Amino acid sequence: AQSVSQHNHHVILSEAASLELGCNYSYGGTVNLFWYVQYPGQHLQLLLKYFSGDPLVKGIKGFEAEFIKSKFSFNLRKPSVQWSDTAEYFCAVKGMSNDYKLSFGAGTTVTVRA
Amino acid sequence: KAGVTQTPRYLIKTRGQQVTLSCSPISGHRSVSWYQQTPGQGLQFLFEYFSETQRNKGNFPGRFSGRQFSNSRSEMNVSTLELGDSALYLCASSLGAGLGDNEQFFGPGTRLTVL
Repeated sequence: AQSVSQHNHHVILSEAASLELGCNYSYGGTVNLFWYVQYPGQHLQLLLKYFSGDPLVKGIKGFEAEFIKSKFSFNLRKPSVQWSDTAEYFCAVKGMSNDYKLSFGAGTTVTVRA
Repeated sequence: KAGVTQTPRYLIKTRGQQVTLSCSPISGHRSVSWYQQTPGQGLQFLFEYFSETQRNKGNFPGRFSGRQFSNSRSEMNVSTLELGDSALYLCASSLGAGLGDNEQFFGPGTRLTVL
């Protein structure tokens, strides 16, 4: 069974600081990887995804993530955060087997102080 | 294109009752997945339907069931409600035709409170 681990439960930053959220997964085969964001009072939105190809993927709102296969990691980064980036961030993994389950990490709450 | 819609948005029930939640996927999407979101457990997969068939199921008791209709709309039913069933229930849709078509789009959720 696949599992997803997010390293930080709550991160507090000041505006313009850099953000990096860790995500590790356990699954032996090929994976599809996702980062979702949930802004206060809003539903989950896809930030970015990795299916194949270039391991450095760029998403919306200046976010990017790097897939490191040898480390089973898919860390999310943003060079300079804004107050509007305050949200909960979820890493999700889907193992490419005959299994349509998307497994989520526990989530990281990011608070950006103005 | 309209997004995933869920009804009702809020629901209050008492222990022992049953509840039915509804999800309408994005037009053209044939796969619907359901998740339970709670502060303690995070997002947990309930089940996934494609073309009216359940393709995958999470580790939830049999009180949780679902179905999908020919127009891809899906319903989720929880019988004999318990206090611990209080949660945000999320529906997500995707094209679902193949293993590569698995980008999921989420609805706003139904907030269920069990008293």
